[in-house]
Amino acid sequence: AQKVTQAQTEISVVEKEDVTLDCVYETRDTTYYLFWYKQPPSGELVFLIRRNSFDEQNEISGRYSWNFQKSTSSFNFTITASQVVDSAVYFCALSHSGGGADGLTFGKGTHLIIQP
Amino acid sequence: NAGVTQTPKFRILKIGQSMTLQCTQDMNHNYMYWYRQDPGMGLKLIYYSVGAGITDKGEVPNGYNVSRSTTEDFPLRLELAAPSQTSVYFCASSGLAGVDTQYFGPGTRLTVL
Repeated sequence: AQKVTQAQTEISVVEKEDVTLDCVYETRDTTYYLFWYKQPPSGELVFLIRRNSFDEQNEISGRYSWNFQKSTSSFNFTITASQVVDSAVYFCALSHSGGGADGLTFGKGTHLIIQP
Repeated sequence: NAGVTQTPKFRILKIGQSMTLQCTQDMNHNYMYWYRQDPGMGLKLIYYSVGAGITDKGEVPNGYNVSRSTTEDFPLRLELAAPSQTSVYFCASSGLAGVDTQYFGPGTRLTVL
């Protein structure tokens, strides 16, 4: 069975600090996809990134970066120079391919609070 | 291009009442999903559909029913509402199942009293 663990329930930092959100996953699939979604206080789910299991290159998008390590089954998310607008709940999620259509397995989320 | 839309945004039901949550997507996606999000928890899959006329149960299907008569619409029906169904419901769609990004609607906040 698939599982996604986000051990950090809540993180609070002061603006401009760097912060890393951890995500550890479990799957028996050899091909799978990992996602990060942001849920701001308004409640919608905003897609941030998708990464397939064959691509272990780290990715950077502006102040956001992602570190995928297959050896430790982790897909961590770092925000550099955090801003108040980054305050949200962040979800890591896992799906599998091979024709599988049974949705995503989500972690419980990390509530990130950026204090001014 | 509105993406995924859901109605209503909020609803209060009494125990035992029924209702249908509407979901429509205009991206011509084959795959559609219903999730529920309970406080402090991640999303859990209720039902999904791989195309018109085809639906299947997810992790938490009890108390719900779905239908998919068109590519665009995927309504979720609650029969005999119970307080345990108080949650935020999200509909999502994707083009290629697990290999593609799922795009979510804005959610429906349901309270059962």
